[in-house]
Amino acid sequence: DAKTTQPPSMDCAEGRAANLPCNHSTISGNEYVYWYRQIHSQGPQYIIHGLKNNETNEMASLIITEDRKSSTLILPHATLRDTAVYYCIVRVSGGYQKVTFGTGTKLQVIP
Amino acid sequence: NAGVTQTPKFQVLKTGQSMTLQCAQDMNHEYMSWYRQDPGMGLRLIHYSVGAGITDQGEVPNGYNVSRSTTEDFPLRLLSAAPSQTSVYFCASSYSAPLKTEAFFGQGTRLTVV
Repeated sequence: DAKTTQPPSMDCAEGRAANLPCNHSTISGNEYVYWYRQIHSQGPQYIIHGLKNNETNEMASLIITEDRKSSTLILPHATLRDTAVYYCIVRVSGGYQKVTFGTGTKLQVIP
Repeated sequence: NAGVTQTPKFQVLKTGQSMTLQCAQDMNHEYMSWYRQDPGMGLRLIHYSVGAGITDQGEVPNGYNVSRSTTEDFPLRLLSAAPSQTSVYFCASSYSAPLKTEAFFGQGTRLTVV
């Protein structure tokens, strides 16, 4: 699985969009970008994933650059409940899902 | 829909004791795995299973055993607890089908070994 690089922490004002970056310069053509988050002391929660097209669901949007070397998770209107550690993971879809987590980005949403 | 259920939520063990952390899922997922999370660190894979009767080691398997006799259950056994095994343990499960591979996690078991 490709290695990812994320900033250790970020702040975001409540109601504003939170943009969380992730670098994955060694990503392979068949690897997807997945995002999970972990709210304090809880189990990680799946957010979204994509291959090369931008993706959107009820939780977030995922923007992947054309060269696929980086991506951005966007929480359009951050709330206090979005305060969590966000993990960017790059891996092959299908087959066994041996999810490998880094240390993620600690997002603090500020009132 | 219960998802992934872990028991117990909290446990204190004495050094040398053994115990089993339980994990059950009701989504008919083929894949299940155990992770541990230590303060300030990401999750590290202990053991995983790709189906009933099939298990394999992850990054940090020493001191732990697993078995998978049914699709639903994937217990983690600590053979002889050590203080270094104080951690939060998470169980996860997922489908194998492409594009349906997001993992679902339990709420964790907080283990303290004294």
